[in-house]
Amino acid sequence: EDKVVQSPLSLVVHEGDTVTLNCSYEVTNFRSLLWYKQEKKAPTFLFMLTSSGIEKKSGRLSSILDKKELFSILNITATQTGDSAVYLCAVAGDYKLSFGAGTTVTVRA
Amino acid sequence: DTGVSQNPRHKITKRGQNVTFRCDPISEHNRLYWYRQTLGQGPEFLTYFQNEAQLEKSRLLSDRFSAERPKGSFSTLEIQRTEQGDSAMYLCASSFTSGGAGRDTQYFGPGTRLTVL
Repeated sequence: EDKVVQSPLSLVVHEGDTVTLNCSYEVTNFRSLLWYKQEKKAPTFLFMLTSSGIEKKSGRLSSILDKKELFSILNITATQTGDSAVYLCAVAGDYKLSFGAGTTVTVRA
Repeated sequence: DTGVSQNPRHKITKRGQNVTFRCDPISEHNRLYWYRQTLGQGPEFLTYFQNEAQLEKSRLLSDRFSAERPKGSFSTLEIQRTEQGDSAMYLCASSFTSGGAGRDTQYFGPGTRLTVL
């Protein structure tokens, strides 16, 4: 059975700090890894990663995938209170996404 | 707004009643997915359609659950004889099968929160 594990489960930081979120996986027929942000509503898409070692960036967020060691990290630099959310890691297999339990990030002013 | 929409947003029902949820995907997307999310967990796959064909169902989807996508556009998810354990957020997502990894990007609707009393 597909397995996606995220760590830490939660963290609290102050504005301006940098956070690193981890995602490890065991999935048959791996196609891609995706990161979503969820703020009490629908998960919103952040990144899709398919190749190892290529960093994807969007503003203050960046992510990288290691297909050999089966993990990904999501970095958020210069955090803002609006970054407070649950960050979900999902892995695409044949047809579905398998999600981790998420990391809850709280950014305090 | 051309995103995924779901109705109703909230549903409170008594145990044993039937409920039906609707999902309207992004118009050009041919794949539609249903997930269930409980507190503190990530979404769990229930079923998906490509056009009007239901191609996969999770073993989480008991006989009390049925989903349809009659014309390859909107979809409905019905739960019969609801139980308290069915209380959850039901999320719908859609994607476009274009070949390659592009189909993996699923866009989610706001969800229907079901509470079974």
